[in-house]
Amino acid sequence: HFELTQPPSVSAAPGQKVAISCSGSDSTFASGSVSWYQQVPGAAPKLIIFDNNKRASGFPARFSGSKSGPSASLAISGLQTGDEADYYCATWDSRLNLVVFGGGTLLTVL
Amino acid sequence: QVQLVESGGRVVKPGRSLRLSCVTSGFSFANYAIHWIRQAPGKGLEWVAVMSYDETEAYYADSVKGRFTTSRDSALDTSFLQMNNLRVEDTATYYCARDTTFGVISLPNYWGRGIPVTVS
Repeated sequence: HFELTQPPSVSAAPGQKVAISCSGSDSTFASGSVSWYQQVPGAAPKLIIFDNNKRASGFPARFSGSKSGPSASLAISGLQTGDEADYYCATWDSRLNLVVFGGGTLLTVL
Repeated sequence: QVQLVESGGRVVKPGRSLRLSCVTSGFSFANYAIHWIRQAPGKGLEWVAVMSYDETEAYYADSVKGRFTTSRDSALDTSFLQMNNLRVEDTATYYCARDTTFGVISLPNYWGRGIPVTVS
């Protein structure tokens, strides 16, 4: 199956904005939708964004998602130390009928 | 509120079997697909399997196909993951998760806390 590529890590200062990218080379990703998950150390993942840009309950408007063709992005503005976590993108591969996760991105708020 | 609680994880020897359970509450179990996802120590998320809300579809990752089987019991609001012929590389924390979308298979939404499985 195809892969979703994320940067291993990103960092920014408190109050700043950061964007985490998620790219896939397959055409099914280009036409499909993306979800984003936050995993704080020692805890289960939580859904942040679904259907590319819809925010899940419990997450403030500081979190936003976008997708254009083969590239998706999660943006977090007004960074807080509590945002430090691993972030994963995911999509449904409709040809092979399976979920593909990106490798994850560790966000550090300096 | 939506809750999923996994159980059944333990230490097992290679080649043995194990069945995980995922008891759910706070939503209409019969209307949502249930996913299983795992995470090896220090690694990323790996999707394992999904069963549709009506049990007509079940899909698996290549790494577990032929060894793992997912099922569900709507009378108990519970999903199961039967794991046979376990390998050392199956060692991970296993999560069950409810799908995002009513009536179809899409992507995970609500997750359980996870249960560790060690094959050694």
